[in-house]
Amino acid sequence: GAGVSQSPSNKVTEKGKDVELRCDPISGHTALYWYRQRLGQGLEFLIYFQGNSAPDKSGLPSDRFSAERTGESVSTLTIQRTQQEDSAVYLCASTSGRSQGHYGYTFGSGTRLTVV
Amino acid sequence: AQTVTQSQPEMSVQEAETVTLSCTYDTSESNYYLFWYKQPPSRQMILVIRQEAYKQQNATENRFSVNFQKAAKSFSLKISDSQLGDTAMYFCAFMRGTTSGTYKYIFGTGTRLKVLA
Repeated sequence: GAGVSQSPSNKVTEKGKDVELRCDPISGHTALYWYRQRLGQGLEFLIYFQGNSAPDKSGLPSDRFSAERTGESVSTLTIQRTQQEDSAVYLCASTSGRSQGHYGYTFGSGTRLTVV
Repeated sequence: AQTVTQSQPEMSVQEAETVTLSCTYDTSESNYYLFWYKQPPSRQMILVIRQEAYKQQNATENRFSVNFQKAAKSFSLKISDSQLGDTAMYFCAFMRGTTSGTYKYIFGTGTRLKVLA
């Protein structure tokens, strides 16, 4: 696509439920990143994909968080047994290749997750 | 560990005037990259300007310019001729390569800029 697309735009869920957040990167972009933005904070790195492998998962905050990617296309971030502290905006970004990251990412508009 | 500090949570400026947003960072690396991103209410992070640490010349993009002081670890953003559309959150970010071969950001907490008509 022309840009990075994320869905849903907003999600309200009850504490304890599982949620799936979707990211559709720019066509041809092999590198994909997930970041989390808590209210009033900057972005925190969660996970990086190169193709469908994830060489860096160091930012995932707990084993309730997981992510997968199909080929060089869509990625899904799953949060199991959601907690109120998971409330945040989850942003996805992509670049044309691993080595291109230092030119800057193209970000999506994020998914605002609210756990009630 | 690297850190990025933005000490101005909120700022305002009159339309057509100039404003400077400050950013300091801490690192022991010699080669890295610095960025300013703009985040309007749409939430999408938009790249404003980028600086390579090994370049002494300050980056410029139209009305946006930086004052990069490597020794002082300071990276401020100057917006000239401010426009209403510049109203947004502005994030300063540090980036370097990692052993996994990727480039990850460390972001500051942001400065909310409001341009007044």
